[in-house]
Amino acid sequence: EAQVTQNPRYLITVTGKKLTVTCSQNMNHEYMSWYRQDPGLGLRQIYYSMNVEVTDKGDVPEGYKVSRKEKRNFPLILESPSPNQTSLYFCASGGVAGGGNEQFFGPGTRLTVL
Amino acid sequence: AQKITQTQPGMFVQEKEAVTLDCTYDTSDPSYGLFWYKQPSSGEMIFLIYQGSYDQQNATEGRYSLNFQKARKSANLVISASQLGDSAMYFCAMTRTHQFYFGTGTSLTVIP
Repeated sequence: EAQVTQNPRYLITVTGKKLTVTCSQNMNHEYMSWYRQDPGLGLRQIYYSMNVEVTDKGDVPEGYKVSRKEKRNFPLILESPSPNQTSLYFCASGGVAGGGNEQFFGPGTRLTVL
Repeated sequence: AQKITQTQPGMFVQEKEAVTLDCTYDTSDPSYGLFWYKQPSSGEMIFLIYQGSYDQQNATEGRYSLNFQKARKSANLVISASQLGDSAMYFCAMTRTHQFYFGTGTSLTVIP
């Protein structure tokens, strides 16, 4: 089954404790992306990757890191989480470097930073 | 600057009626794509429809159609014959230069 998986689905952590949210896709997509969704703000792009070892900043990259060492995986790293990073996070993947084709979204990760 | 604007925070529609959800966008790039996504209360993001900036015809997918007016920079979603299962948040999105921009969403409620 074609899908994007994210882990964990729910996470409660404390300020400053490094964490990683994993994202994996099995569709051989070149393009992968991370978003955060906050009430009243819609989805905002954090980082995206057009292929292995190629990543770029989206609209709200501060406080986040990503890496793309393999085509299927695109982890999101919060080196020192803060309460303002409490949000719902989505990973997505798509073909043709994100343009033209739909993005497939993961189920979301709800993160709470205390 | 807001690149995608959805001015209707909430909409109501009677079951079996048609409804239009508004979306305007802002870009000076000639090449871009426009999307609509549905997010039910369960939280997943579901792709509905796509329109490319060079597409001559309006996109349609089943009961969904995208009313693309390039000169007005609008990309309204039309849902025909609304069903109770259409109750959800709807997001308009644009992609250009490999980045994606989403609107703040419209909450649609279908009334029996």
